[in-house]
Amino acid sequence: GAVVSQHPSWVICKSGTSVKIECRSLDFQATTMFWYRQFPKQSLMLMATSNEGSKATYEQGVEKDKFLINHASLTLSTLTVTSAHPEDSSFYICSARPLGGRVIYEQFFGPGTRLTVL
Amino acid sequence: EDQVTQSPEALRLQEGESSSLNCSYTVSGLRGLFWYRQDPGKGPEFLFTLYSAGEEKEKERLKATLTKKESFLHITAPKPEDSATYLCAVQAGREMDSNYQLIWGAGTKLIIKP
Repeated sequence: GAVVSQHPSWVICKSGTSVKIECRSLDFQATTMFWYRQFPKQSLMLMATSNEGSKATYEQGVEKDKFLINHASLTLSTLTVTSAHPEDSSFYICSARPLGGRVIYEQFFGPGTRLTVL
Repeated sequence: EDQVTQSPEALRLQEGESSSLNCSYTVSGLRGLFWYRQDPGKGPEFLFTLYSAGEEKEKERLKATLTKKESFLHITAPKPEDSATYLCAVQAGREMDSNYQLIWGAGTKLIIKP
């Protein structure tokens, strides 16, 4: 149980284009989903928190107009990197917090999406 | 300021050589401490949740313990497949818009040599 998927697992795009990453909770409903980015040999950096049906909350320093987050349902959140540039190249990981359940604070992570902007 | 510190940054062990990883924290009201395992190029895999001092959890060769200031992840007779980065995260007492954000440590990279 508690499986989270991400699509695509990797993507290469040209500078200036937009890329959409999907995060799905496969066997549970998630009231809250989190988006992280991770640079090589570094820990996770929280970018934003999204709740189903409401606007995402972005961490300080994260451009909300560049990283568009949509959490349209209890099982799906999307992150769109708009006008991507090489410095946006990173490993993007989503996590989901189950609605209710035995342990309410756990987050379950997707496998990550490797974005490379040329 | 809430903070989570993991040590050591990296740990190299021979197969079968038991050891411990440390996660020390300073937070205002602990709600829960989490251990995750992360393999290169993959998302973190949930291992344990600990809620209160004195609590212990076990899974195969791993055992997590918790005190009021730190948590240990004990690895008994490790195998090469235990090689990974182990991440510790803490949920503090302050509810940030009820989103239950986690405060992350930098991780310990564990390498088990055959």
